[in-house]
Amino acid sequence: DQQVKQNSPSLSVQEGRISILNCDYTNSMFDYFLWYKKYPAEGPTFLISISSIKDKNEDGRFTVFLNKSAKHLSLHIVPSQPGDSAVYFCAASGDKLIFGTGTRLQVFP
Amino acid sequence: KAGVTQTPRYLIKTRGQQVTLSCSPISGHRSVSWYQQTPGQGLQFLFEYFSETQRNKGNFPGRFSGRQFSNSRSEMNVSTLELGDSALYLCASSLGDNGNTIYFGEGSWLTVV
Repeated sequence: DQQVKQNSPSLSVQEGRISILNCDYTNSMFDYFLWYKKYPAEGPTFLISISSIKDKNEDGRFTVFLNKSAKHLSLHIVPSQPGDSAVYFCAASGDKLIFGTGTRLQVFP
Repeated sequence: KAGVTQTPRYLIKTRGQQVTLSCSPISGHRSVSWYQQTPGQGLQFLFEYFSETQRNKGNFPGRFSGRQFSNSRSEMNVSTLELGDSALYLCASSLGDNGNTIYFGEGSWLTVV
């Protein structure tokens, strides 16, 4: 039972354009959501988070949007850069942190 | 401030053997969680320890166990290794309250042959 889903295993975006990564969840009790970025052979690195009392959180080029009624969150990266190429995991927190399966983002010149 | 440290980084074991992985959390963090990452499966939650007690547990068989020491350092053990246990094992630490961000170590790559 996958409570957190990232339905797009991969995404390819041109440098300078917007990258939009999506995540859906099923448990309405989740109250805190996070995005992590992972390079090969490294542990995931925390990127940005959002509490369920908000619908948007912005940090530089990264913005996370939360739509609680749709149980959907998204990560926007603007403008995308080649160094953003990595696997992105969304995670939802209740009594423990549940991760999605990840989306591999490739930013090409 | 030092990050989460995991040892060993890489190891190869034979089926049927057991393995112990170690994790030192960020100073001041009292919660340590363990995750397994395999291709296509994302990050699967194993268990979480807080103040030397297991606070949460994922859906893994009893061959997977862990413990936490008084200094918050944690170990996880896998007994009777199977080929399917080959994975990246990640440790993460946090302050331990709901809503805290967790910070990951670089992981221990386990290959079972």
